[in-house]
Amino acid sequence: AQSVTQLGSHVSVSEGALVLLRCNYSSSVPPYLFWYVQYPNQGLQLLLKYTTGATLVKGINGFEAEFKKSETSFHLTKPSAHMSDAAEYFCAVSETQGGSEKLVFGKGTKLTVNP
Amino acid sequence: NAGVTQTPKFQVLKTGQSMTLQCAQDMNHEYMSWYRQDPGMGLRLIHYSVGAGITDQGEVPNGYNVSRSTTEDFPLRLLSAAPSQTSVYFCASSPLRVGRYEQYFGPGTRLTVT
Repeated sequence: AQSVTQLGSHVSVSEGALVLLRCNYSSSVPPYLFWYVQYPNQGLQLLLKYTTGATLVKGINGFEAEFKKSETSFHLTKPSAHMSDAAEYFCAVSETQGGSEKLVFGKGTKLTVNP
Repeated sequence: NAGVTQTPKFQVLKTGQSMTLQCAQDMNHEYMSWYRQDPGMGLRLIHYSVGAGITDQGEVPNGYNVSRSTTEDFPLRLLSAAPSQTSVYFCASSPLRVGRYEQYFGPGTRLTVT
């Protein structure tokens, strides 16, 4: 079964600083990879996804992530943090078992942006 | 389009009570799922459905029942509520290939069991 590890349950950055949120997955077969964002008291919304093709994926709000097969990683970055980026971020990978597909989520990283 | 809607937004139950969390989507998505979100645990899959009449268990199915009589609706039933079921519940839907496509999430139901 797939597992997803997000390093750091809390990350704090200053406004304007680089944001780096780490995600590693367990599968040796390249899966489909996602980052979702959850703003306070809301549901999750898709930030970006990797299915096939270019390994550097651009998402909404200036975020991007790079799929590195050799490192089984899919880290999320943004060059310059904004106060509105404060939220919880979840990495997810697809898993296929017995013909059915599911998403497996990491435990989440809460991003705080300091003025 | 309303997207994915969930009712109620908040609910307090006493131990042993039963209730149904409602979920509906208007995007004609085949795949629907229920997750629970607990602090430090991320989202864990409870049950999912790949179409009307077809449901399957996820990672944490005990204490919950589902059925899917229409494409639009996917209710989650708590049979006999326990304090361990205190959580935030999210319903989500997507086109069938959930591994490839975005899941659309509802706003959540915050459930407290006393």
